[in-house]
Amino acid sequence: QKEVEQDPGPLSVPEGAIVSLNCTYSNSAFQYFMWYRQYSRKGPELLMYTYSSGNKEDGRFTAQVDKSSKYISLFIRDSQPSDSATYLCAMIRRSGGYQKVTFGIGTKLQVIP
Amino acid sequence: KAGVTQTPRYLIKTRGQQVTLSCSPISGHRSVSWYQQTPGQGLQFLFEYFSETQRNKGNFPGRFSGRQFSNSRSEMNVSTLELGDSALYLCASSADRGEQYFGPGTRLTVT
Repeated sequence: QKEVEQDPGPLSVPEGAIVSLNCTYSNSAFQYFMWYRQYSRKGPELLMYTYSSGNKEDGRFTAQVDKSSKYISLFIRDSQPSDSATYLCAMIRRSGGYQKVTFGIGTKLQVIP
Repeated sequence: KAGVTQTPRYLIKTRGQQVTLSCSPISGHRSVSWYQQTPGQGLQFLFEYFSETQRNKGNFPGRFSGRQFSNSRSEMNVSTLELGDSALYLCASSADRGEQYFGPGTRLTVT
């Protein structure tokens, strides 16, 4: 079993829809959670960084963390064609003075005009 | 602040050759990590350097190596290239909180 599970999609939605992207994890040692957006042939871009259970909002993006269920989500409101990209979740655990970052495989999102 | 830069952006090499990729982190970031990204495997962690020392290493063969200089710039080297090494190689620098900022990547094609 992978430490971080993420549905690779693809996920197709009409413009204006609310998009829900999810990751589950098995290791309760993960303490910090991130979402990245990666356009084709580009490097991943950090969208959200959270460390506590609950919601964090930034513009049209909301990151949600549920540590008790080991589940994180990214919601995109009023989705736009420019949101078409691959979205990766990432999680950090710290141990022995160093940190380990584990990424999901990424969900490919297509927003149809 | 300037972002993470990687050179070269594209590279075509032949099997058996070696290659060196370069990464300049965001100013003030002391940690640099390297990843290999392929369509089927996603982001695979290669290694992390902090203050010129390798702090963490992924499950890649010894053909993959790296180093970090005193100015935090980092290089990774792949020797005896194989067709399966064709991938996007990403460098990320980390802030104190641990979140990583990625460069644009180097797309390596091995023929």
